[in-house]
Amino acid sequence: NAGVTQTPKFQVLKTGQSMTLQCAQDMNHEYMSWYRQDPGMGLRLIHYSVGAGITDQGEVPNGYNVSRSTTEDFPLRLLSAAPSQTSVYFCASSYQSQGQGYEQYFGPGTRLTVT
Amino acid sequence: GDSVTQMEGPVTLSEEAFLTINCTYTATGYPSLFWYVQYPGEGLQLLLKATKADDKGSNKGFEATYRKETTSFHLEKGSVQVSDSAVYFCASKGYQKVTFGTGTKLQVIP
Repeated sequence: NAGVTQTPKFQVLKTGQSMTLQCAQDMNHEYMSWYRQDPGMGLRLIHYSVGAGITDQGEVPNGYNVSRSTTEDFPLRLLSAAPSQTSVYFCASSYQSQGQGYEQYFGPGTRLTVT
Repeated sequence: GDSVTQMEGPVTLSEEAFLTINCTYTATGYPSLFWYVQYPGEGLQLLLKATKADDKGSNKGFEATYRKETTSFHLEKGSVQVSDSAVYFCASKGYQKVTFGTGTKLQVIP
């Protein structure tokens, strides 16, 4: 299993540009999430999905869009990048089972700089 | 809403010292509680978890006990190693969402 993969690892954008951060998982997990990590603020939830075709907003959704057309993929779109979106972005997938409870797996992250 | 508060870092310890990182939570109902570890340049990895009151999670010499009466989940290790240097995050899971603390950086010096 590759687990959770994210591309690209690093990205520099100019203000106003758009881009898509890719996330894929091969564990057949229903739940997927996007977080951003900023110094002193921990991880904040941007958007999440509880299954293909179902997405919802997290704590800081403004400026980001998501879609979930398949179980495996959960791309994050920045429509018009702003310097405030400079951050490290983590994708996670998770499952909940009767026997093992809840487990969340994180990708390696995408470091985004917006100039 | 739900929140997680953990002690500010950085925490600097000598090798073989005892480690405690405090974590308290506020939540509706009975959340599951987690500790994650993040090594430089990597994503978060689950270190240990507890799903109900008085449960003790343990892994790699780290332990944490779910204390409902004090709403706490403090992380402890009896003897830290240089390889434990990382950022540690406490987290709680309610109905669907996971709430993270701000992270505590641990540096262990030889």
